Amino acid sequence: KAGVTQTPRYLIKTRGQQVTLSCSPISGHRSVSWYQQTPGQGLQFLFEYFSETQRNKGNFPGRFSGRQFSNSRSEMNVSTLELGDSALYLCASSSNAGLAGGGEQYFGPGTRLTVT
Amino acid sequence: GENVEQHPSTLSVQEGDSAVIKCTYSDSASNYFPWYKQELGKRPQLIIDIRSNVGEKKDQRIAVTLNKTAKHFSLHITETQPEDSAVYFCAAGGRGGSQGNLIFGKGTKLSVKP
Repeated sequence: KAGVTQTPRYLIKTRGQQVTLSCSPISGHRSVSWYQQTPGQGLQFLFEYFSETQRNKGNFPGRFSGRQFSNSRSEMNVSTLELGDSALYLCASSSNAGLAGGGEQYFGPGTRLTVT
Repeated sequence: GENVEQHPSTLSVQEGDSAVIKCTYSDSASNYFPWYKQELGKRPQLIIDIRSNVGEKKDQRIAVTLNKTAKHFSLHITETQPEDSAVYFCAAGGRGGSQGNLIFGKGTKLSVKP
């Protein structure tokens, strides 16, 4: 199976602009989660989508939003970009099989966002 | 909310020695504990995980232990090799029946000296 893919891989934006990032999960995976990775804060959970519904949300401002399509592909949007939004944005997909097994999250390569 | 503490932040060992990384979590509702290895410039890769219905799990040179009472879990790497050098992250998840809301520790940079 193909792994998790993310586009674009690199992005440079200016403060105040908005950006949309895309994530295609492993075939058959219905859960997609997004994480922000920075040197100072490490890996932080943004939100999780399952069957087109946001199932969990981390502690990020409303400028960060996302959605999931019927084919499980997901997008995240950041509006009114700030310098502090510069980070590696990672998505991960899982089959969400629960405690019985499976459900492991597999990460994509990430999108490196630089805000100037 | 859930918080995960990871120690140490850096760890240097000689090739062939063992390495131990420890994590504690705060939310007793967490029931899934994966470990990821991230090499420079690459994506995090799942190396082993453990669920709350198991106390220990081993995969070749890697083992993980879980103490639910103490809310503590650890990664053990034996016979370390230079290619084990990377940043290792522990995480806690499973709250609300989902494994997609992982809360990560800050990471441990492991250096294995030949």
